[in-house]
Amino acid sequence: EVQLVESGGGLVQSGRSLRLSCTASGFAFGDYYMSWVRQAPGRGLEWVGFIRNRAYGGTTEYAASVKGRFTISRDDSKTIAYLQMNSLKIEDTAVYYCSRDYSISSPQGAFDLWGQGTVVTVSS
Amino acid sequence: DIQMTQSPSAMSASVGDRLTITCRASQGIGNSLAWFQQKPGKVPKRLIYAASSLQSGVPSRFSGSGSGTEFTLTISSLQPEDFATYYCLQHNTYPRTFGQGTKVEVK
Repeated sequence: EVQLVESGGGLVQSGRSLRLSCTASGFAFGDYYMSWVRQAPGRGLEWVGFIRNRAYGGTTEYAASVKGRFTISRDDSKTIAYLQMNSLKIEDTAVYYCSRDYSISSPQGAFDLWGQGTVVTVSS
Repeated sequence: DIQMTQSPSAMSASVGDRLTITCRASQGIGNSLAWFQQKPGKVPKRLIYAASSLQSGVPSRFSGSGSGTEFTLTISSLQPEDFATYYCLQHNTYPRTFGQGTKVEVK
């Protein structure tokens, strides 16, 4: 089955760290950029960042709101993308989704597949 | 960064109505635009990709048009299951940017 499954969410104090995982199955994970998107309670969708696939250097890009605090990585052998979140703030409280992004073989396939989301709550 | 201005932010409509939602990009994005539907507590669902291509399995009452900087999502005849929030997303460059969302409510 083609799917993405996030895990690792929870309740964490402000200033602490948390790592989310996005486990992919059923498709050629290594061919895709992988994005993280979040949604704060009652708010719209916000792109967090992505990681390119190895063919494009495996490099990362981030939204200004998380740059320098969040790091995206990937393990293609395990088909997992990670979101390492450091120095968490109360405003990082959100549902975090992973989604498959660009692929050279399917350039318009971006964001066609999403995980179910994982909830991150940052307390003071 | 490319800003996506989506309008309206909310609208009240009745079953059978024709609805149009607009997204304007602050600079040209070609056709790298997708539309999503999200219901409360649910995962966003892609409806339209490449500005005007209908996602497999999505009813044909949904359609998209536009290129460059002006894009529209049209629902030709609103159905009860279409009351939801709709978002556009540009993925032409980074940072990816979503529109602010349009909440479609029952009139």
